[in-house]
Amino acid sequence: GQNIDQPTEMTATEGAIVQINCTYQTSGFNGLFWYQQHAGEAPTFLSYNVLDGLEEKGRFSSFLSRSKGYSYLLLKELQMKDSASYLCAVSGSNDYKLSFGAGTTVTVRA
Amino acid sequence: DTEVTQTPKHLVMGMTNKKSLKCEQHMGHRAMYWYKQKAKKPPELMFVYSYEKLSINESVPSRFSPECPNSSLLNLHLHALQPEDSALYLCASSPSGGRTDTQYFGPGTRLTVL
Repeated sequence: GQNIDQPTEMTATEGAIVQINCTYQTSGFNGLFWYQQHAGEAPTFLSYNVLDGLEEKGRFSSFLSRSKGYSYLLLKELQMKDSASYLCAVSGSNDYKLSFGAGTTVTVRA
Repeated sequence: DTEVTQTPKHLVMGMTNKKSLKCEQHMGHRAMYWYKQKAKKPPELMFVYSYEKLSINESVPSRFSPECPNSSLLNLHLHALQPEDSALYLCASSPSGGRTDTQYFGPGTRLTVL
């Protein structure tokens, strides 16, 4: 089976840094995706990790440790528009299928 | 261009109505997906078309009927739905459906069944 865990909610202040952790146990591993989803809108692709290490894209970075079944998404210099749900999704041993975590709702406060 | 478009944005229908959701992409992707998403839940996969053939049906009730007229279009035909089918319906596409593919989502159709 597939098990993806991430915290339900996080709150941070504008300009701060927030780290969203994701742990997974899946049958097979072909990469981990992070998506951002604003309320009532579509998930937007943020990052893809398949090798261990840190991938940086502007204010957002994503890290993967395959041996630990662990990833995090780091959001730096938080802005109000970063208030959204962040979904961790793992591609396992089957084509087409992503296993999604329940999502972490990040609230950025002034 | 990583755009997937969906129409309509909002749909309200009665339990005896027949309606269709439409999805379109022009990225040359050969895999297209329908997901259902309830509030504060992750997307749940419903159907996958690969190269215009139905590859996955996640035991979806027959009141939902997918159709892929060509490689750019994906429809979801709705008939005799129940109130619990009210949700955000998301379409996505990816290059080939492979395990390292990134799926790109459309903005969704917010469906309310009365």
